[in-house]
Amino acid sequence: GAVVSQHPSWVICKSGTSVKIECRSLDFQATTMFWYRQFPKQSLMLMATSNEGSKATYEQGVEKDKFLINHASLTLSTLTVTSAHPEDSSFYICSARITSTDTQYFGPGTRLTVL
Amino acid sequence: TQLLEQSPQFLSIQEGENLTVYCNSSSVFSSLQWYRQEPGEGPVLLVTVVTGGEVKKLKRLTFQFGDARKDSSLHITAAQPGDTGLYLCAGAYDYKLSFGAGTTVTVRA
Repeated sequence: GAVVSQHPSWVICKSGTSVKIECRSLDFQATTMFWYRQFPKQSLMLMATSNEGSKATYEQGVEKDKFLINHASLTLSTLTVTSAHPEDSSFYICSARITSTDTQYFGPGTRLTVL
Repeated sequence: TQLLEQSPQFLSIQEGENLTVYCNSSSVFSSLQWYRQEPGEGPVLLVTVVTGGEVKKLKRLTFQFGDARKDSSLHITAAQPGDTGLYLCAGAYDYKLSFGAGTTVTVRA
């Protein structure tokens, strides 16, 4: 149980284009999902908290207009990187929270490369 | 932001040896989670500790949560090459997780 999927697993795009990443909780419902980014050899950095049916909450320093988050259902959150630039290249990981145990389960990550 | 200091950053040991990873903070967490991450994959949950002083065992892995719920340790007995990976501790607060910097463990055959 507690499986989280991400799609795509990797994506290469041109500078200036937008990329959408999906995060799904496959066998449970999650009112709260989270988006992280991870640079090579570093730990996970929380970008934003995605709340079902309401606006996402962004961490300090994360541009909400650049990283658009939508959590339209209890099993799906999407992160759209708008007008991507090479410095946005990173490993993006989502997680879904099980409320009863206050535990987050992570997706397999999406490798974004912006040329 | 609640900071978690994880040490050591790197650990390279021979198969059969024991190792301990530490996670310390000045903040109190409602729970603390340990994850293991392979390159190019997401973190996989190993354990969640909730109660101060709690000890949990998962085969050769032993996890402790400090009495004050500010620190934790992960001990691996008789490490095997399959234990190689990035170990991350994460403290829960306000429904979020604050991650330590991670410990890269390499177990040589």
